[in-house]
Amino acid sequence: DAGITQSPRHKVTETGTPVTLRCHQTENHRYMYWYRQDPGHGLRLIHYSYGVKDTDKGEVSDGYSVSRSKTEDFLLTLESATSSQTSVYFCAISESGLARDTQYFGPGTRLTVL
Amino acid sequence: AQSVAQPEDQVNVAEGNPLTVKCTYSVSGNPYLFWYVQYPNRGLQFLLKYITGDNLVKGSYGFEAEFNKSQTSFHLKKPSALVSDSALYFCAVGGANNLFFGTGTRLTVIP
Repeated sequence: DAGITQSPRHKVTETGTPVTLRCHQTENHRYMYWYRQDPGHGLRLIHYSYGVKDTDKGEVSDGYSVSRSKTEDFLLTLESATSSQTSVYFCAISESGLARDTQYFGPGTRLTVL
Repeated sequence: AQSVAQPEDQVNVAEGNPLTVKCTYSVSGNPYLFWYVQYPNRGLQFLLKYITGDNLVKGSYGFEAEFNKSQTSFHLKKPSALVSDSALYFCAVGGANNLFFGTGTRLTVIP
C-alpha cells in the first residue's frame, strides 16, 4: 500500500465521543487526503492537505477537522462522533494536487459509532 | 463539474472469458481517468490511468482500458478473467485536489 499506514485499523466508539484517526506516509509526498467510503457513494473527499499546516475542505467536511504538523502525518478528528460517521476511512497521498496525478491509498480504518 | 457513472453494480463472468467493467464520465476540460481495484478489507490499488495519447491504456495484472471521447466512456477490460480478479472496481476522474469516484462495480469471476 505504497508506504502508507493508518491507525487504528478498526474502532468502535459511542456517539458524542471524540475520535482521531492517523495517517502516516513514508513517501514524502506533499499532498495527503482523507476520504470516506459508503455503499452507494463510492469514495468522497473529506479534507486534504497540500503541505505542513496547509489544509482545505472537501465535499463532505462537516463534523470533521484535520491537522498536519509534519509532512508524514495527517490526522482526522471527529470532534463528537455521530452514527452517520460510521464508515470506512481511507487516507491517500499524491506528489501534487494536479488532476492527472495518481493518488495512492492506505489500507483503511473501519469506524463504527454506536 | 466532474463526475463518473458506473452503470452496473455487479458483473459476473466465467473464468477464462473476457471481462468488461463499464464507466462513463462527464468533465469540463480534459479528462484524466483512473481505475482502481479494492480487494476485501484492503485499500484501493491503482490499476491504470488515461491522461492523453493512445486511447488504449495498459495497466497492472493484465488489465487495459479503452478511452472513447465520442461516447465519453472509459471501460475496463481484460481478455481472460481469473477467479482472483473478483473484487470491487472503481472508476474515477481527476479534479483539482480531488478524485471523483463512481459507486463501484463488484466483479465476480465464476470458476
